[in-house]
Amino acid sequence: QKEVEQNSGPLSVPEGAIASLNCTYSDRVSQSFFWYRQYSGKSPELIMSIYSNGDKEDGRFTAQLNKASQYVSLLIRDSQPSDSATYLCAPGSEKLVFGKGTKLTVNP
Amino acid sequence: DADVTQTPRNRITKTGKRIMLECSQTKGHDRMYWYRQDPGLGLRLIYYSFDVKDINKGEISDGYSVSRQAQAKFSLSLESAIPNQTALYFCATSDWTGGDEQYFGPGTRLTVT
Repeated sequence: QKEVEQNSGPLSVPEGAIASLNCTYSDRVSQSFFWYRQYSGKSPELIMSIYSNGDKEDGRFTAQLNKASQYVSLLIRDSQPSDSATYLCAPGSEKLVFGKGTKLTVNP
Repeated sequence: DADVTQTPRNRITKTGKRIMLECSQTKGHDRMYWYRQDPGLGLRLIYYSFDVKDINKGEISDGYSVSRQAQAKFSLSLESAIPNQTALYFCATSDWTGGDEQYFGPGTRLTVT
């Protein structure tokens, strides 16, 4: 099993819709989880950290964590064209292993 | 000023040449990392260092070496560059006391011809 798997995408949603990004991981000991946004040709930017089961909301972004299922998701509400990017999931550990990312396109 | 800087930002070099990529940070973090990114392969860890005296190999260390000159500086060397090392290289830092989120530099686009 790959360490981190993300829905492969690409994902395309209309402006104003909810975008849902998913990530599963194999490391049962991970206690923290990170979502990064990466615009084409740019460096990854941390947009959300989550440490406990349940939901964490930050503006239009909501991360959901289920440690028992080894699953973490990111919801983007009221999607904007500026949200168009690749989103990377990374379970926290000594050696951060990133998923390959899901490319999101928000169409005006 | 940026917290994590990388030099050079772009570099074209020839096969067999030695090249060094440099990373500096002002975040005061102990941990530093080097990644490469290739289309379709995502971010792959090359080396990481948890403090000045600690160096660890990552997933794809062959053909690379690193030096941690100080807490704030971590350099990556390609001893004899080859074309399949053409990629986008990122340096990152983290602070394990702060949750270990990683903060990335702007990247170095390296082309080996």
